[in-house]
Amino acid sequence: ILNVEQSPQSLHVQEGDSTNFTCSFPSSNFYALHWYRWETAKSPEALFVMTLNGDEKKKGRISATLNTKEGYSYLYIKGSQPEDSATYLCASPSGATNKLIFGTGTLLAVQP
Amino acid sequence: SQTIHQWPATLVQPVGSPLSLECTVEGTSNPNLYWYRQAAGRGLQLLFYSVGIGQISSEVPQNLSASRPQDRQFILSSKKLLLSDSGFYLCAWSEQFGEQFFGPGTRLTVL
Repeated sequence: ILNVEQSPQSLHVQEGDSTNFTCSFPSSNFYALHWYRWETAKSPEALFVMTLNGDEKKKGRISATLNTKEGYSYLYIKGSQPEDSATYLCASPSGATNKLIFGTGTLLAVQP
Repeated sequence: SQTIHQWPATLVQPVGSPLSLECTVEGTSNPNLYWYRQAAGRGLQLLFYSVGIGQISSEVPQNLSASRPQDRQFILSSKKLLLSDSGFYLCAWSEQFGEQFFGPGTRLTVL
């Protein structure tokens, strides 16, 4: 059974701080790694889908890297803003399907 | 463009009562459809997924069931709710192996 883990569970930073968190997944039979941003009372919103080892994707102040050989992905937020406060989820498909297995998420709180 | 709808947004039900949550998708054909649940303090758990009308795969044993009577309609049901069924239920769709897009969710409280 695919096991996707995220750390830390929660993170409190000050506005302007840069931060990063980790998603780890089994490196064997890797297909893709998804990052989602989930704000309270809203739907999870897709940030990135990453498939290639060494991939690096960027959207504004948020970027992500992928290491499929060692089974981890980092999500970075540069200059955190209060509106970045959300739960960040990563997920990986189970086998050659699109059944995503989600980590438990990292809850980010950015204090103004 | 594609949109996904879920209703109701919130629901409070007594233990032992039935449940029906509905999800519909617009603007796409033959999507994969998914039901997820987030229980208190836990991550998103895949409950059911469907790759076509009448095709349902269950991921975890439970007292819930799902049906897909039409291409873009996905229903989550229960005959008798348990306290442990409380949680936040999300419906999602994807093209075959693409990223998933989530609905607004239903907050279910079983008392």
